[in-house]
Amino acid sequence: KQEVTQIPAALSVPEGENLVLNCSFTDSAIYNLQWFRQDPGKGLTSLLLIQSSQREQTSGRLNASLDKSSGRSTLYIAASQPGDSATYLCAVRPRDTGNQFYFGTGTSLTVIP
Amino acid sequence: ETGVTQSPTHLIKTRGQQVTLRCSSQSGHNTVSWYQQALGQGPQFIFQYYREEENGRGNFPPRFSGLQFPNYSSELNVNALELDDSALYLCASSLSRDKETQYFGPGTRLLVL
Repeated sequence: KQEVTQIPAALSVPEGENLVLNCSFTDSAIYNLQWFRQDPGKGLTSLLLIQSSQREQTSGRLNASLDKSSGRSTLYIAASQPGDSATYLCAVRPRDTGNQFYFGTGTSLTVIP
Repeated sequence: ETGVTQSPTHLIKTRGQQVTLRCSSQSGHNTVSWYQQALGQGPQFIFQYYREEENGRGNFPPRFSGLQFPNYSSELNVNALELDDSALYLCASSLSRDKETQYFGPGTRLLVL
């Protein structure tokens, strides 16, 4: 069974700092990996989707990388802002059960003004 | 284009009762997935519906059941509610079963007393 781990569980940084969130997964046979943002008590907002054949995706200040062979993905946030404060979740879609995502428990990010 | 909507937003039930949660998928999306998110955890896959048929199920007991209608909206039914069923229930829609980005609704917060 696929297991997804996110480190650190919580992170607090001053505004303007660049930061990296980590995601690791146990089975490299995946269709894709998706990063989400979740504000307290709210649903998930999709940030970036990386297909298994891709190495990275970029959207604005966000860059996500995927190293399938080592079972790792990183989400890089440049020039962090207080509005980036949220929980960030990564989810992988395995090849053998392609209809579901396996989620990590998330990294709670606080950007201090 | 409307996003994914869910109703109700909040719900309080007592142990043993039954509950129905509703989801309207994003326009043009024929696939709906349901997830349960306990406090401080990542979402856990319950099941997926594709063109009105169940298309995969996670590790949830049969008292969790669902439906998808011809307009691709969906219901999640939970019978014999237990205290541990208290969670945020998320619905996600996508263009197809495989490889596509999932778009999440805001969720329904269920509290079982």
